[in-house]
Amino acid sequence: EPEVTQTPSHQVTQMGQEVILRCVPISNHLYFYWYRQILGQKVEFLVSFYNNEISEKSEIFDDQFSVERPDGSNFTLKIRSTKLEDSAMYFCASARAVRWNEQFFGPGTRLTVL
Amino acid sequence: SQELEQSPQSLIVQEGKNLTINCTSSKTLYGLYWYKQKYGEGLIFLMMLQKGGEEKSHEKITAKLDEKKQQSSLHITASQPSHAGIYLCGADMWEYGNKLVFGAGTILRVKS
Repeated sequence: EPEVTQTPSHQVTQMGQEVILRCVPISNHLYFYWYRQILGQKVEFLVSFYNNEISEKSEIFDDQFSVERPDGSNFTLKIRSTKLEDSAMYFCASARAVRWNEQFFGPGTRLTVL
Repeated sequence: SQELEQSPQSLIVQEGKNLTINCTSSKTLYGLYWYKQKYGEGLIFLMMLQKGGEEKSHEKITAKLDEKKQQSSLHITASQPSHAGIYLCGADMWEYGNKLVFGAGTILRVKS
């Protein structure tokens, strides 16, 4: 069964460093998402991406964040200068269509900012 | 108030007992999704409900959508230790684009 994969599974970084989280969505999916979950809190939407551009972003997704689909398979989330409060589990998701379609979630990348 | 309220926050049940988790939206829904999560891990898709009155089942888990109340319930029959985890509802709301808004989750423990 096709699945969304994410690398790395765990990333530890120093405050102020840049990190890139990688995702490989399901191959025939067109809609891509990043969510995050601070430990013990809700899963929160960050950004959605379609047709090589951001279609929607949340207030959390400020200028420190960017997304890219550098080739036909990868979807990345970059945090330019990490803060302590960026420590969270980051989930990538993909979907075939925008409505009434399951968003398939990856296993997540746990980001720890020291 | 929260856009998506889940109740209860946590639940401890004896193995073999039935249980229900509720999810209520303050906004009109396109669809309602149920996921299960083990603490600190990824989200496992359980079911998606689209139409009012829709009911779906998978093994011992049944979910229903009440369109009038903008509410969904997840019911587990004859609970087992393998059902333990965090149950999350996610809503696709009319007011927004295609993002999912999640509830706070319900922590389920099943005592043997």
